[in-house]
Amino acid sequence: DIQMTQSPSSLSASVGDRVTITCRASQSIATYLNWYQQKPGKVPKVLIYAASSLQSGVPSRFSGSGSGTDFALTISSLQVEDFATYYCQQSYTAPRTFGQGTKVEIK
Amino acid sequence: EVQLVESGGDLVQPGRSLRLSCAASGFTFDDYAMHWVRQAPGKGLEWVSGISWNGGTIDYADSVKGRFTISRDNAKDSLYLQMNSLRLEDTALYYCARYSFDSNGFYHFLDHWGQGTLVTVSS
Repeated sequence: DIQMTQSPSSLSASVGDRVTITCRASQSIATYLNWYQQKPGKVPKVLIYAASSLQSGVPSRFSGSGSGTDFALTISSLQVEDFATYYCQQSYTAPRTFGQGTKVEIK
Repeated sequence: EVQLVESGGDLVQPGRSLRLSCAASGFTFDDYAMHWVRQAPGKGLEWVSGISWNGGTIDYADSVKGRFTISRDNAKDSLYLQMNSLRLEDTALYYCARYSFDSNGFYHFLDHWGQGTLVTVSS
């Protein structure tokens, strides 16, 4: 099975900060990588698919990059509504594993 | 509007069985693969199982393989998860999610999720 490892597990940031979360796959997954956002008590929401494609309706301050085994989600200017937990997921092969999550908190 | 509504969650004893259902509406159900994802209280997301549009391809997480069975009834726009030999560690909120695809059909992602149904395994 492909293991997905995110870092950091949590971070504190201020509104307006540039934030980057990384995700590493245990083997190459090309660009079969998705990013999700989950706010407390809410359902996960897809932000990025195919490593760098922005899902419809997602603000352009979110961007994704990477290929192979190393990926990143960047929020260019953190907004209040972005405080949440972020998960990567590989869609390369089954089982379609998630990372352990990165919690973005207010500093 | 796409809607996914899960049901069937309950409090059950270890070793018992439970069947979850997910009723889909607002889209052509048999155009899409469907997946189950679970989230233990205070924990992260765990992919559980997926089924192709016609049931021809089915996958499971190692943690549930041999105990859980995913199925679908396209005539009823419904997805199911039969859960047998339940364990304490199966306690979680179980989400049904649609596995969508990009315009070229190469990339897949979970684009719509239900609100989840809670399964609690406890003696």
